[in-house]
Amino acid sequence: TQLLEQSPQFLSIQEGENLTVYCNSSSVFSSLQWYRQEPGEGPVLLVTVVTGGEVKKLKRLTFQFGDARKDSSLHITAAQPGDTGLYLCGTDSWGKLQFGAGTQVVVTP
Amino acid sequence: DTAVSQTPKYLVTQMGNDKSIKCEQNLGHDTMYWYKQDSKKFLKIMFSYNNKELIINETVPNRFSPKSPDKAHLNLHINSLELGDSAVYFCASSPSSGSGYTQYFGPGTRLTVL
Repeated sequence: TQLLEQSPQFLSIQEGENLTVYCNSSSVFSSLQWYRQEPGEGPVLLVTVVTGGEVKKLKRLTFQFGDARKDSSLHITAAQPGDTGLYLCGTDSWGKLQFGAGTQVVVTP
Repeated sequence: DTAVSQTPKYLVTQMGNDKSIKCEQNLGHDTMYWYKQDSKKFLKIMFSYNNKELIINETVPNRFSPKSPDKAHLNLHINSLELGDSAVYFCASSPSSGSGYTQYFGPGTRLTVL
């Protein structure tokens, strides 16, 4: 059983559509992180959410941390082909990053 | 300038061989890491060094031996390669060890063991 469960595993949508990916756990976290990994590259940190109920926006990306700090979601509005990538949620335990299995997002023109 | 670089980008080798992957960071960070991403894209930490000292050593076969000649470099040597070692290996660095420091990842080294 993984610490962080991500869903869906794969998402294919058309340009302009919205999408949401989820990161869930039975554990409580002091923070959760979201990364995007593009093909042939390493993951890049998008955001860290710290406070229960917190909402952070990064252009068309909206990140939410659950009130109980056990789950998080990433919503993309009007997806573009450049949003294609593997989205990973992770938790940082004294520098040891533990990741979910990721959601592969494909946005087609 | 590339912040975290790895060589080689691709590595294809036979079972039983010994190989090394090199990592360098020019960010002035104290802490470096090795991660393994398997065929299902699951990314898992292997090792971490802080200022040349090993601080994280996950359950990794002892065929894997990291070496940090200085805090800007962290190399990974793998002995007696096995089919299951095929994966993408990522190096990363952060300003310091502990929670709260952003880790910057290299582009990865795709290792294929035949």
